[in-house]
Amino acid sequence: DADVTQTPRNRITKTGKRIMLECSQTKGHDRMYWYRQDPGLGLRLIYYSFDVKDINKGEISDGYSVSRQAQAKFSLSLESAIPNQTALYFCATSDRAESNQPQHFGDGTRLSIL
Amino acid sequence: GNSVTQMEGPVTLSEEAFLTINCTYTATGYPSLFWYVQYPGEGLQLLLKATKADDKGSNKGFEATYRKETTSFHLEKGSVQVSDSAVYFCAFLGSSTLGRLYFGRGTQLTVWP
Repeated sequence: DADVTQTPRNRITKTGKRIMLECSQTKGHDRMYWYRQDPGLGLRLIYYSFDVKDINKGEISDGYSVSRQAQAKFSLSLESAIPNQTALYFCATSDRAESNQPQHFGDGTRLSIL
Repeated sequence: GNSVTQMEGPVTLSEEAFLTINCTYTATGYPSLFWYVQYPGEGLQLLLKATKADDKGSNKGFEATYRKETTSFHLEKGSVQVSDSAVYFCAFLGSSTLGRLYFGRGTQLTVWP
């Protein structure tokens, strides 16, 4: 089983719809992150959470919201999807106790907004 | 501000060729440096890392040396294989970045047999 699981893996939807992407982890990590990947732009941080009560905006948070339902779960919502939010979305986790340790990524959710 | 600049792709090589993907960073303090690899249809996997100056990270035949004087972390492999075809991302994590990674834009590598 994957340590970081994202659902759904693929989603096609229409402009204006509310979308939720879910992430769950079995690594026991405190920190969780949401990134989006666009061709030629690398990964950009949307939101991050250091624990259940600590949620922070990343560099491109406009149009997105998040919820940290539990230590193991971190969901990303698009309240009213627009076509330029079409991208590949990644969830990642890291362990606070190991500050220089790498992040661990899920396999991504490919989101297309028509 | 914080940023990572890596060589633009795509890079196309024949099997057994030598690979270099350049990466430089702008950060305060002494960041930890990483290379991630993304195979088609998959998420990012850590390839190698270095946490202090002059450290060399290595894995699967890939190497990168943390050069503080040039703020660089270039990825090299002496003999690439078809299975190395992927997108490679350089990234850093600094003490001032509150646990978030800064990524380069990625370099697409294609290796032909």
